[in-house]
Amino acid sequence: EDQVTQSPEALRLQEGESSSLNCSYTVSGLRGLFWYRQDPGKGPEFLFTLYSAGEEKEKERLKATLTKKESFLHITAPKPEDSATYLCAVQGPNYGGSQGNLIFGKGTKLSVKP
Amino acid sequence: GAVVSQHPSWVICKSGTSVKIECRSLDFQATTMFWYRQFPKQSLMLMATSNEGSKATYEQGVEKDKFLINHASLTLSTLTVTSAHPEDSSFYICSAGMITDTQYFGPGTRLTVL
Repeated sequence: EDQVTQSPEALRLQEGESSSLNCSYTVSGLRGLFWYRQDPGKGPEFLFTLYSAGEEKEKERLKATLTKKESFLHITAPKPEDSATYLCAVQGPNYGGSQGNLIFGKGTKLSVKP
Repeated sequence: GAVVSQHPSWVICKSGTSVKIECRSLDFQATTMFWYRQFPKQSLMLMATSNEGSKATYEQGVEKDKFLINHASLTLSTLTVTSAHPEDSSFYICSAGMITDTQYFGPGTRLTVL
């Protein structure tokens, strides 16, 4: 069964304290892995798409990496405004006849204290 | 670019009434739109996938007669919750994108059924 597991569930950091969020996945035929940021009461905001092992992408203080079994979201010198829930999702082959479906992890809630 | 809007952002209705939620891709054409549901402190659960001009594909366990989806154009999809009951209260989020590409999410609609 295809699934996505994110860890830790919650992470508290001091401003400037770098860390990483993990997304482990099992999917038959990965077509893409996505990272989103979600603030309370809002829809997910797109961050990155990764397609193949070894790929890396960066945006400001965030860097996403991908291996054959997991992805990491590295946060360098975080600021309080980085506080949010970070969601990982995978896109595999057709699920029940529906193309393009995403399977989401439960997310990591990040809190950055000043 | 890649902006998706939803309307309304929140709605309160009486039990037994129907509610329509609109999802629009503002600056791109989406061949596929997705509807998700999110309960408090949980991740997104896909309800259905809609392709422009064709019937929606519903996930297992989602009542197609209760959650009516119409994808009338490449920029508009609507979700109608018919005869809403308190258990339908949730956060509904749409996304839009190409089938094999990144999904961009709307800001969500908070539905409360009294």
